[in-house]
Amino acid sequence: AQSVTQPDIHITVSEGASLELRCNYSYGATPYLFWYVQSPGQGLQLLLKYFSGDTLVQGIKGFEAEFKRSQSSFNLRKPSVHWSDAAEYFCAVGAFYTGGFKTIFGAGTRLFVKA
Amino acid sequence: KAGVTQTPRYLIKTRGQQVTLSCSPISGHRSVSWYQQTPGQGLQFLFEYFSETQRNKGNFPGRFSGRQFSNSRSEMNVSTLELGDSALYLCASSLGLADQETQYFGPGTRLLVL
Repeated sequence: AQSVTQPDIHITVSEGASLELRCNYSYGATPYLFWYVQSPGQGLQLLLKYFSGDTLVQGIKGFEAEFKRSQSSFNLRKPSVHWSDAAEYFCAVGAFYTGGFKTIFGAGTRLFVKA
Repeated sequence: KAGVTQTPRYLIKTRGQQVTLSCSPISGHRSVSWYQQTPGQGLQFLFEYFSETQRNKGNFPGRFSGRQFSNSRSEMNVSTLELGDSALYLCASSLGLADQETQYFGPGTRLLVL
C-alpha cells in the first residue's frame, strides 16, 4: 500500500528566504505525486504534479518539486517566499489499484512566514 | 471552466440528526471523491464514485454513504450524527481516466455537530 510522510508539522521562514518542504513516499512502483496548498477555511489547490518524465517539475506560484527515486522523495521548493505563501501544504501519492485510483495525503506542513 | 462547487458551505446539526452534502464536479469530470478533514486525523478518504458506481471506499462506518447521479453530481449522507463527525468535508473531481488522475478540490463544507 502507498503511504506518504511529511516530517515537518510546521516550518517558519522569513519573507524573501528560500523554502523546502519535505515529502517521502512509499510505493512499489513509480507513483503519481502531487503537492497541494490549503489556505485557512479553503479547499486544496493543486500546485504541481509528477507522473513521469523530467524529475524537476514546475508549478504555479513559483513553486517547483524534484522527484528523487533513490530517496523516495518529492520535496517542494521555492527560492523566495512571500507572506501570501503562509498556508498548509500537502504532499500526496496516488496509484492505480484494481478498484480504481487512490490518493493518499500526508499530514501536512503548516508554513509560517515572518515579516 | 467552473471549478468544483460544494453546498452548503457551512452547516450546524445536532447529534442524532442526518445530513446531506452536495458536490458538483468540473464539467466533463466523471470521478468524484470525498474526504473528511479534521485537525487530529488530517485528510481521510471516504469514497470515490465513477459513472454512478462506488469505485473505492475508505475505512468509515456505514453511517457514511454517498451516491452519484448521471450528470456526475454527487451527494454524501451522514446518518445519526456524532460529535466526532464535525469536520471539513472536501469533494474532489477528476476525469477518472488512466493517466488523467489529477484531483481538483472544492472549497469544502464545514459541518459542526452539537
